[in-house]
Amino acid sequence: KAGVTQTPRYLIKTRGQQVTLSCSPISGHRSVSWYQQTPGQGLQFLFEYFSETQRNKGNFPGRFSGRQFSNSRSEMNVSTLELGDSALYLCASSLDDSAPLHFGNGTRLTVT
Amino acid sequence: GENVEQHPSTLSVQEGDSAVIKCTYSDSASNYFPWYKQELGKGPQLIIDIRSNVGEKKDQRIAVTLNKTAKHFSLHITETQPEDSAVYFCAAGFTGANSKLTFGKGITLSVRP
Repeated sequence: KAGVTQTPRYLIKTRGQQVTLSCSPISGHRSVSWYQQTPGQGLQFLFEYFSETQRNKGNFPGRFSGRQFSNSRSEMNVSTLELGDSALYLCASSLDDSAPLHFGNGTRLTVT
Repeated sequence: GENVEQHPSTLSVQEGDSAVIKCTYSDSASNYFPWYKQELGKGPQLIIDIRSNVGEKKDQRIAVTLNKTAKHFSLHITETQPEDSAVYFCAAGFTGANSKLTFGKGITLSVRP
C-alpha cells in the first residue's frame, strides 16, 4: 500500500507570493492533518480535515488555509508568503478517529 | 493548551546499550501518546504509541511506559543498533473529532558502533 504522498517535494517562492501544497493520503484514510516543522519551533499543528470538513485548527494566521476533497486528497494554501513561512510542511493521514497518524515526507518550502 | 517537554535534547549510546528518552506533558486530558522516528530527508515514522488506559506497551526492542499521575511517558530502546540513530519525537494529544497532537522538540539519538 502506498504511503502518504506530498507534492512537490521542494518549492522556492518569493515573499508576497502564494503557494499550494498537495497531499494524497493512504488509500482508505479519511482524516488528513497538516503540520509545520521548523528547527526553532519543531512540529506545529496547522489543521485537520475529515470527510471534507475542517474539525480542528492550530494557532496560525488566516494566511494558512486548507481543504479536503471528496476523495480525501487535501491541499493547503499559504498566501502573502513571509520569510518565516520557510519550513517543512508535513501531511499525515489516519484511517479513522482512533487510528494513528502516518506522515508523508513533506514539502520543503523556501521563501526568499 | 498542551505543552510537551522532551529530555535530553541529545543522547549518545554505545551499540548494544539501552536508550531511554523521557517526555512530560501538561494537559491531563490528553489520551494518546505516540513516538515518532525521523531520519534525514524523511517524514516522521510512527514507531510505537500508547493510550491513556494502558501503562506499558512493548514491541520487540522498543517499549513505552506511561505515568498518568506524574504526566510523563518514556521510550525505551534495548540492544541499540547504528540504524537506530535518528531524531525521536514524542507527542501528546487526542485522536478522533478533536484530533491534534502537540510534539516535543525532538532528541537526536546517536548510536556509536
